[in-house]
Amino acid sequence: KQEVTQIPAALSVPEGENLVLNCSFTDSAIYNLQWFRQDPGKGLTSLLLIQSSQREQTSGRLNASLDKSSGRSTLYIAASQPGDSATYLCAVSGYALNFGKGTSLLVTP
Amino acid sequence: KAGVTQTPRYLIKTRGQQVTLSCSPISGHRSVSWYQQTPGQGLQFLFEYFSETQRNKGNFPGRFSGRQFSNSRSEMNVSTLELGDSALYLCASSLGAAGSSKIYEQYFGPGTRLTVT
Repeated sequence: KQEVTQIPAALSVPEGENLVLNCSFTDSAIYNLQWFRQDPGKGLTSLLLIQSSQREQTSGRLNASLDKSSGRSTLYIAASQPGDSATYLCAVSGYALNFGKGTSLLVTP
Repeated sequence: KAGVTQTPRYLIKTRGQQVTLSCSPISGHRSVSWYQQTPGQGLQFLFEYFSETQRNKGNFPGRFSGRQFSNSRSEMNVSTLELGDSALYLCASSLGAAGSSKIYEQYFGPGTRLTVT
């Protein structure tokens, strides 16, 4: 059974800092890995999708890496802004998405 | 292009009642998956429908059921509601079936917040 863990569970940083969110998974037989953002009480917004054959994906200030062999992914956020405050979820794809519990990020002005 | 829509957005029901939630996928998407999100368990997979057929089902009791129509719209039904069914129910759509050889990104709707009293 796939287990997905996200560390840290919560993070508070001042505006402008670069930060790294971590995701680990137990079964390396995945199709892809997606990072999502969720604002309070809202649905999920897809940020980045990394196929199992890829090592990283970039979108604007976001960069996600994937190391399948070690079962790890990281989401790097450059020059954080208050608008980045949200919960960030990683999910690995088998026949369904297996989600971690998320990292709750607060960026203070 | 319109995103995934879910109705209703909020719902309050009493224990023992049943409820039906609706999801309209992005135009052209044929796969709809349902997830339950609670503070304690996080996001858990309920089931996936592709071309009107249930392809996969998560570890939920038979009180949870669903269906998909020929226009890819999907409904989820929960019978004999329990307090523990209070949750945010999210649906996601994608072009193709999950677990296929191609990589299909999933797009989520805003969710239906169900409160059982």
